[in-house]
Amino acid sequence: DVKVTQSSRYLVKRTGEKVFLECVQDMDHENMFWYRQDPGLGLRLIYFSYDVKMKEKGDIPEGYSVSREKKERFSLILESASTNQTSMYLCASLGFNSYEQYFGPGTRLTVT
Amino acid sequence: AQSVTQPDIHITVSEGASLELRCNYSYGATPYLFWYVQSPGQGLQLLLKYFSGDTLVQGIKGFEAEFKRSQSSFNLRKPSVHWSDAAEYFCAVGAPNTGTASKLTFGTGTRLQVTL
Repeated sequence: DVKVTQSSRYLVKRTGEKVFLECVQDMDHENMFWYRQDPGLGLRLIYFSYDVKMKEKGDIPEGYSVSREKKERFSLILESASTNQTSMYLCASLGFNSYEQYFGPGTRLTVT
Repeated sequence: AQSVTQPDIHITVSEGASLELRCNYSYGATPYLFWYVQSPGQGLQLLLKYFSGDTLVQGIKGFEAEFKRSQSSFNLRKPSVHWSDAAEYFCAVGAPNTGTASKLTFGTGTRLQVTL
């Protein structure tokens, strides 16, 4: 079974803090994704990575950066958290030549 | 670019009743289509997918979906809903053979409530 884990289920941070969200997958998948989920907006792609040290912007990259130093780990970074980044963040992974994304349980981030 | 519309934000059905969740997509050719389910506090789980071939696809938990090219639709159905089906359902579309096939565009979701 593919397993995608996220470092925290719930996180509360203050405005201006630097925030790290970690995602780890155990299936040697090449592709990894970060989404944010907001009511009425569905899932929106922030960034994705198709290989170690490779990344591409998704639909809403502003205010975020990512890091992928190892194949199994994909980090989302909020350089200076703002209240409008309060959201549910979902990580997903995908194998080569596959189309089924496997999702982690999500991190609900609150920025106060 | 592809897009997905789920016109129903919230649906309530009685346990044992049939269910149909609507999904319409916009894409210039035949896309790859998916339905995911998200139970409260959980990540998304794939219910079923359509790539090509038979337009009626079977998924897990007794769900099925039918691809209708003429209507640009991929509606999800279940003949008899169980209380445990209460969740949020997302339709998603991917673009085959474009180099970005691994990226998906999600609809805004339909929340299903099941009454006993």
